[in-house]
Amino acid sequence: NAGVTQTPKFQVLKTGQSMTLQCAQDMNHEYMSWYRQDPGMGLRLIHYSVGAGITDQGEVPNGYNVSRSTTEDFPLRLLSAAPSQTSVYFCASSPAGQWFHFGDGTRLSIL
Amino acid sequence: AQSVTQLGSHVSVSEGALVLLRCNYSSSVPPYLFWYVQYPNQGLQLLLKYTSAATLVKGINGFEAEFKKSETSFHLTKPSAHMSDAAEYFCAVSISGGSNYKLTFGKGTLLTVNP
Repeated sequence: NAGVTQTPKFQVLKTGQSMTLQCAQDMNHEYMSWYRQDPGMGLRLIHYSVGAGITDQGEVPNGYNVSRSTTEDFPLRLLSAAPSQTSVYFCASSPAGQWFHFGDGTRLSIL
Repeated sequence: AQSVTQLGSHVSVSEGALVLLRCNYSSSVPPYLFWYVQYPNQGLQLLLKYTSAATLVKGINGFEAEFKKSETSFHLTKPSAHMSDAAEYFCAVSISGGSNYKLTFGKGTLLTVNP
């Protein structure tokens, strides 16, 4: 049982490049979320999904897109990377009414 | 809207001493409350959760927390600190029940354990 798997673990981008952070869970959880973690800021919600085909914005959605075509996958797309998006990104999943399981994170640097 | 305040961004204790990490929350509806721990360069691991059952919640690694509605608090304690407890701790809140799809985190407390 792999849990929540994030790829890649590390990535360096140049300003203006686009990329997709992958997130997959094998627990058949309804809810999935993306957070970013910055020093002294805790974790802030970027986007979330309550099921396949249903997504919504969190606290800091600008510059990011998501889609959820299957229960298992919830990719996060950076449309045009900016240095302010340098961060550690965490994907999480949860069955309704329970607690969130987190992936190991993707460390992203934008130059 | 919900919010979490963690008092003290950095707490330092001696090995064997009491650990107390403070968390206060704000929620207009009954909350679920969580404590997560993050070791360096790792993801978040659930320590314990309050989901409207017992107000005193026991978690992994000897940690426990008490939900106090009148004080809107959910402080994390451990009677005797161990070197392996050194990590960052996050308190988080969500709406109770099946609508718990959004977690709101505090800014974290870094725990240092001195020999």
